[in-house]
Amino acid sequence: NAGVTQTPKFQVLKTGQSMTLQCAQDMNHNSMYWYRQDPGMGLRLIYYSASEGTTDKGEVPNGYNVSRLNKREFSLRLESAAPSQTSVYFCASSDSLAGYNEQFFGPGTRLTVL
Amino acid sequence: QKEVEQNSGPLSVPEGAIASLNCTYSDRGSQSFFWYRQYSGKSPELIMSIYSNGDKEDGRFTAQLNKASQYVSLLIRDSQPSDSATYLCALTRADGLTFGKGTHLIIQP
Repeated sequence: NAGVTQTPKFQVLKTGQSMTLQCAQDMNHNSMYWYRQDPGMGLRLIYYSASEGTTDKGEVPNGYNVSRLNKREFSLRLESAAPSQTSVYFCASSDSLAGYNEQFFGPGTRLTVL
Repeated sequence: QKEVEQNSGPLSVPEGAIASLNCTYSDRGSQSFFWYRQYSGKSPELIMSIYSNGDKEDGRFTAQLNKASQYVSLLIRDSQPSDSATYLCALTRADGLTFGKGTHLIIQP
């Protein structure tokens, strides 16, 4: 039982390049999330998926797109990376969006955009 | 007022003492509250959840919730150097959780 996994762990991009961050969970959770964490800013929600087949914008969605590929997988895409997207990205999952909503986090992807 | 407020610290506590971490929130409709621990360079790890007023104990950790006063706290008894980390308070909202910015706790040997 791996929990939430993310790939890659580290990535360096040049401005304008694109990339996709992958996330998978094996806990049979319905809801999945993408956060970014910046020094002094805390965790901020980028996008979330309440259930398979649905996605919604969070607090800071600009510059990102997501795909809920199936119940297990939720990917985050940067179409044209900018230095402001340098951050640590965390994927999380929970049994449901509402209610008790205990979220479990993946190990993170450390992204640098030059 | 920010949704979830925490003192950023650092909060320095001697080994063996009680560490007290506090969090206030603005949304009276919040029903569920969580404490996450995050070591430097690692991901947040859920350590406590609390859903009703009062205290909830789990080992050395006690979470306290007071919905009327809109605060939630975390007590760590017999603090150990391994408790040194950033502690994030979180609560539910319509699109999942909202997090405070965290309190940096340092346990001094």
